[in-house]
Amino acid sequence: EPEVTQTPSHQVTQMGQEVILRCVPISNHLYFYWYRQILGQKVEFLVSFYNNEISEKSEIFDDQFSVERPDGSNFTLKIRSTKLEDSAMYFCASSAPDRTDEQFFGPGTRLTVL
Amino acid sequence: GQNIDQPTEMTATEGAIVQINCTYQTSGFNGLFWYQQHAGEAPTFLSYNVLDGLEEKGRFSSFLSRSKGYSYLLLKELQMKDSASYLCAAVNQAGTALIFGKGTTLSVSS
Repeated sequence: EPEVTQTPSHQVTQMGQEVILRCVPISNHLYFYWYRQILGQKVEFLVSFYNNEISEKSEIFDDQFSVERPDGSNFTLKIRSTKLEDSAMYFCASSAPDRTDEQFFGPGTRLTVL
Repeated sequence: GQNIDQPTEMTATEGAIVQINCTYQTSGFNGLFWYQQHAGEAPTFLSYNVLDGLEEKGRFSSFLSRSKGYSYLLLKELQMKDSASYLCAAVNQAGTALIFGKGTTLSVSS
């Protein structure tokens, strides 16, 4: 069964450093998303992406965040200057062209900012 | 504003039936999802309701009332492996985002 994959599974970084989190969505999916979950808290929407542009973003997704689809398979989330409060699990999700609502989640990247 | 409410914790015993309720208030609505999440893992899809009524899928059923802003997830014949968090999530009008509740942690004991 096709699945969303994410790398790395765990990223440790120093405050102020840039990180790039990578995702490979399911191959025939056209809608891509990033969510985050701070330990013990709810899953929070960050951004959705379709047709090479952002469809919607939340208040959390400020200027330090950016997303990119650099090629036909990868979807990345960049955090330019990490803060302690960026420590969280980051989930990538994708959905199919005919079922924009059913989102399939990747296993997540645990980001730890020291 | 957007608000999803569900109980924080529930407990049940193996073989029992449990109902997890969810109420939502969202600016625009395009359906409601239930996801299961085991600790440290990604959410996995359980059900999706966009029309009023009951959707049954094996041991799990989900109900939606759009007029009441209410949904529930019904789990039958509980098993120990059902111990997990159950996340209620509303889809926004454009279908571009899922708005999650805080999740209900279900503990199933023998």
